[in-house]
Amino acid sequence: KQEVTQIPAALSVPEGENLVLNCSFTDSAIYNLQWFRQDPGKGLTSLLLIQSSQREQTSGRLNASLDKSSGRSTLYIAASQPGDSATYLCAVLSGGYNKLIFGAGTRLAVHP
Amino acid sequence: GAGVSQTPSNKVTEKGKYVELRCDPISGHTALYWYRQSLGQGPEFLIYFQGTGAADDSGLPNDRFFAVRPEGSVSTLKIQRTERGDSAVYLCASSLANSGTGKNGYTFGSGTRLTVV
Repeated sequence: KQEVTQIPAALSVPEGENLVLNCSFTDSAIYNLQWFRQDPGKGLTSLLLIQSSQREQTSGRLNASLDKSSGRSTLYIAASQPGDSATYLCAVLSGGYNKLIFGAGTRLAVHP
Repeated sequence: GAGVSQTPSNKVTEKGKYVELRCDPISGHTALYWYRQSLGQGPEFLIYFQGTGAADDSGLPNDRFFAVRPEGSVSTLKIQRTERGDSAVYLCASSLANSGTGKNGYTFGSGTRLTVV
């Protein structure tokens, strides 16, 4: 059974810091890995999607890497801003293409 | 439409009542998913539709939960005899069918916050 773990559960940093969020999964047979952002009381916004054949994806200040063999992904956020404060969720698509399995998320607070 | 639309955004109901939650996916997305998110947790899979049929309903917690998608577009999640433990945010997502390459991501709606009192 696929399980996704995110570390740390919560993170508080001063503005301007570079930071890394970690995601691990137990079954390396995945089709893709997606990072989402969730603001309080809101739905999920897709940030980056890495297909299983890819190693990383970049969007602006965000860079996500995937090491499928070791079951790990990292989300790197450069020069963090207060507007980056949100919960970041990692999810893997596995088991017949139709189940996106989520971690519990990392709650990020960036203070001025 | 431009995004996935879910209605209502909030629903408060009394224990034992019946509720319906609606999801209007992105036009052209054949795959539709329902998830449930409890406070402080990641979303948990409930059911997946490919077209009109429920291809995988293994995440539905019990027979009080049922979902339909009669015309392959709008979907309704139905909960009978609601219990306080059903309180959560119910999220809907849609995508193009994943052909095995994993290149198609999900687009989520804003969710329906269900509170059973």
